[in-house]
Amino acid sequence: LAKTTQPISMDSYEGQEVNITCSHNNIATNDYITWYQQFPSQGPRFIIQGYKTKVTNEVASLFIPADRKSSTLSLPRVSLSDTAVYYCLEYPWGGATNKLIFGTGTLLAVQP
Amino acid sequence: GAVVSQHPSRVICKSGTSVKIECRSLDFQATTMFWYRQFPKQSLMLMATSNEGSKATYEQGVEKDKFLINHASLTLSTLTVTSAHPEDSSFYICSSAGTEEMNTEAFFGQGTRLTVV
Repeated sequence: LAKTTQPISMDSYEGQEVNITCSHNNIATNDYITWYQQFPSQGPRFIIQGYKTKVTNEVASLFIPADRKSSTLSLPRVSLSDTAVYYCLEYPWGGATNKLIFGTGTLLAVQP
Repeated sequence: GAVVSQHPSRVICKSGTSVKIECRSLDFQATTMFWYRQFPKQSLMLMATSNEGSKATYEQGVEKDKFLINHASLTLSTLTVTSAHPEDSSFYICSSAGTEEMNTEAFFGQGTRLTVV
């Protein structure tokens, strides 16, 4: 069973900032929060990962509150090519098998 | 960065035949890899964990005799769909296991589109 909950879909326009929020109601102490992007007929691609507070890289920012019960992926100034499914996952570092369990994902549709 | 390569990208086979999908880690050694299946407009479903030198661990509801996994080397895991049927048509994806020691995330293959006719 998926551990996370996120909106099924979101719509946006080119140039806007998009924030996708995910719920992590039962996140474990040793779980990191990881976001992946998937285009049709391709394998998922890593976007960003964090444990708490804020993480920023060249493509996105990830905000995680102190209680770690949620996370927000922020995509600045989206373009049409950002149309994809975005998955938030909990990644158990240090476990015997650090497998990724995918939830529904959020289908982001960027309009011109 | 680390790359996982999957082959073939798409395959069409006749019902009753077997199909082998390869997943290679190109610049790192993967003692553990994972196999997923994805149906249209659905999320990825974990099928099994592939362990180098030992038996794979299958998720509940996945038939181990139908989906044969071999992980004979540190750079290659294979998934064989045996006696394929049209309902096995799906998108199959492999991934590496990220490691805290190397500070790496999990990398996914490009996926294999299997169509059974």
